[in-house]
Amino acid sequence: GQNIDQPTEMTATEGAIVQINCTYQTSGFNGLFWYQQHAGEAPTFLSYNVLDGLEEKGRFSSFLSRSKGYSYLLLKELQMKDSASYLCAVIPGGSARQLTFGSGTQLTVLP
Amino acid sequence: EAEVAQSPRYKITEKSQAVAFWCDPISGHATLYWYRQILGQGPELLVQFQDESVVDDSQLPKDRFSAERLKGVDSTLKIQPAELGDSAMYLCASSPRRDRGLNEQYFGPGTRLTVT
Repeated sequence: GQNIDQPTEMTATEGAIVQINCTYQTSGFNGLFWYQQHAGEAPTFLSYNVLDGLEEKGRFSSFLSRSKGYSYLLLKELQMKDSASYLCAVIPGGSARQLTFGSGTQLTVLP
Repeated sequence: EAEVAQSPRYKITEKSQAVAFWCDPISGHATLYWYRQILGQGPELLVQFQDESVVDDSQLPKDRFSAERLKGVDSTLKIQPAELGDSAMYLCASSPRRDRGLNEQYFGPGTRLTVT
């Protein structure tokens, strides 16, 4: 089966940096996504990693190590609007290219 | 900007009743997904369509759930009869036809179902 682990909750202060970790054990690997989901809303795409290394996009960066089955999402200069759930999702092996989601990390940004 | 449309946004129903949800994917997107998300958990895939064909419905409780995408465009997910445990957010997503690389899924706003 597929297994994706991420912390349930994190708290950080406005203006700070926070790192959300994700570890995965899947049968094969075809890419890893991070999504942001505000309460009661649909997930929105943040980043995609398929090769090892760091992908930077503005205040958000995502890192992948395939050999360790590990990724993290780094959020810099935190803003109140960044309070949301952050979902790690993996495309396992196979041709269907389906996403398997973790349970999400609820981030609360405090003033 | 093109979006995935879903309706209704909210649905309250009594157990044993039938409910149906509708999804219209982004124009030209070949792949359509239905997910169920229980509060505090990540989305869980129910069914995946490629055009009008079902690619995977292994997680769909087929005794009460059905899904169709007759013309390969919009899709309907039905629950009959609804049970209390079906209360959740039902998300529809679509993606372009790509065999590799970034195959980003675009999510609709979801339908929040409450079964009483």
